[in-house]
Amino acid sequence: NAGVTQTPKFRILKIGQSMTLQCAQDMNHNYMYWYRQDPGMGLKLIYYSVGAGITDKGEVPNGYNVSRSTTEDFPLRLELAAPSQTSVYFCASCGGDYNEQFFGPGTRLTVL
Amino acid sequence: AQSVTQLDSQVPVFEEAPVELRCNYSSSVSVYLFWYVQYPNQGLQLLLKYLSGSTLVESINGFEAEFNKSQTSFHLRKPSVHISDTAEYFCAVTEFNKLIFGAGTRLAVHP
Repeated sequence: NAGVTQTPKFRILKIGQSMTLQCAQDMNHNYMYWYRQDPGMGLKLIYYSVGAGITDKGEVPNGYNVSRSTTEDFPLRLELAAPSQTSVYFCASCGGDYNEQFFGPGTRLTVL
Repeated sequence: AQSVTQLDSQVPVFEEAPVELRCNYSSSVSVYLFWYVQYPNQGLQLLLKYLSGSTLVESINGFEAEFNKSQTSFHLRKPSVHISDTAEYFCAVTEFNKLIFGAGTRLAVHP
């Protein structure tokens, strides 16, 4: 199993550009999550999904969108990138077993 | 809503010394508790977890954490650290289908 994979690893965007961060898992997990990590702030939940076709907002959803058309994939869309979205983004999945989450390697995004 | 407080943002320690990383959470209702470790430029990995039963849980690399319900704490300890333990450590608590993370503690082990 590859676990949770994320692409790209790094990306630089200009203000106002859009992009999609890809996340995929091959563990047949129902639950998937997107976090952003800023220095000294821990992880903040952006969006999550409890199954295909179902998504919900987390703590910091503004400026982002998600979709979940399959169990495996959970892309995160940034519209009109802003410098405040400079961060490291982590995707995670969970099989529902006591909320133990498995994390991807992250995408480091810089908005200039 | 749940919240998690990690009392130390940075902990410097010498190799082979003991260490304790402190974690407190806000709710006294039944919760599941986790410690995750993040090595430089990597994602988070599960270190250990408390679900039920014995209040002392251990990891395969010598860390242990004790669940204290009355003090709503889940402190992480290791009796003798190695250079390779240098990393950031995150405490997390469940809230419905989500995890709430603390801000993290950066453990720096010096020779």
